[in-house]
Amino acid sequence: EAGVAQSPRYKIIEKRQSVAFWCNPISGHATLYWYQQILGQGPKLLIQFQNNGVVDDSQLPKDRFSAERLKGVDSTLKIQPAKLEDSAVYLCASSRRGGDEKLFFGSGTQLSVL
Amino acid sequence: GNSVTQMEGPVTLSEEAFLTINCTYTATGYPSLFWYVQYPGEGLQLLLKATKADDKGSNKGFEATYRKETTSFHLEKGSVQVSDSAVYFCALSEDLQMIKAAGNKLTFGGGTRVLVKP
Repeated sequence: EAGVAQSPRYKIIEKRQSVAFWCNPISGHATLYWYQQILGQGPKLLIQFQNNGVVDDSQLPKDRFSAERLKGVDSTLKIQPAKLEDSAVYLCASSRRGGDEKLFFGSGTQLSVL
Repeated sequence: GNSVTQMEGPVTLSEEAFLTINCTYTATGYPSLFWYVQYPGEGLQLLLKATKADDKGSNKGFEATYRKETTSFHLEKGSVQVSDSAVYFCALSEDLQMIKAAGNKLTFGGGTRVLVKP
């Protein structure tokens, strides 16, 4: 089966600019996650969707970050305006509905904010 | 809240050496425990998991035992290869009832970089 697809692979922007990342999960996976992985740290959950509804966005900096999953399939994560501390790898993951514990991760988008 | 603490790296070993990466956790309820691996240039992959106390997860020669009494899930491999060079992440999930309701949400440790030299 095809894996979790993410684009772009790399992005370099200046602070205060905006940026968007795209994720297409594995077909049939109801749950989609966005994680932020800062260099040298473990991934931190930003937002979790179940179909097109938000399950948990408690760690999403909502003043600058937004995410949507309009049709319950692919998802977009946006940052506007970006700050230097947003430099990180943004990982998308998906899992099946109904308690399957295995998460499948994409390769991530590496963001550098200058 | 849930948290995971793992030993800092980098860990540098010679081929065929014994590897141990320590991991301890704090959680409510009865979480499942995982080790994920990130090879250079690749995404995170599940290496092994254990879902209840005293369970042993194993894969590719790696093992880890869920120790509830010491809240630990240490990763071990008896004889490492150069191809095991990667970053290893310990993680825990929500309690199983939470997972069934709304999917899994993993809490990760900071990662341990392992470098195996020939």
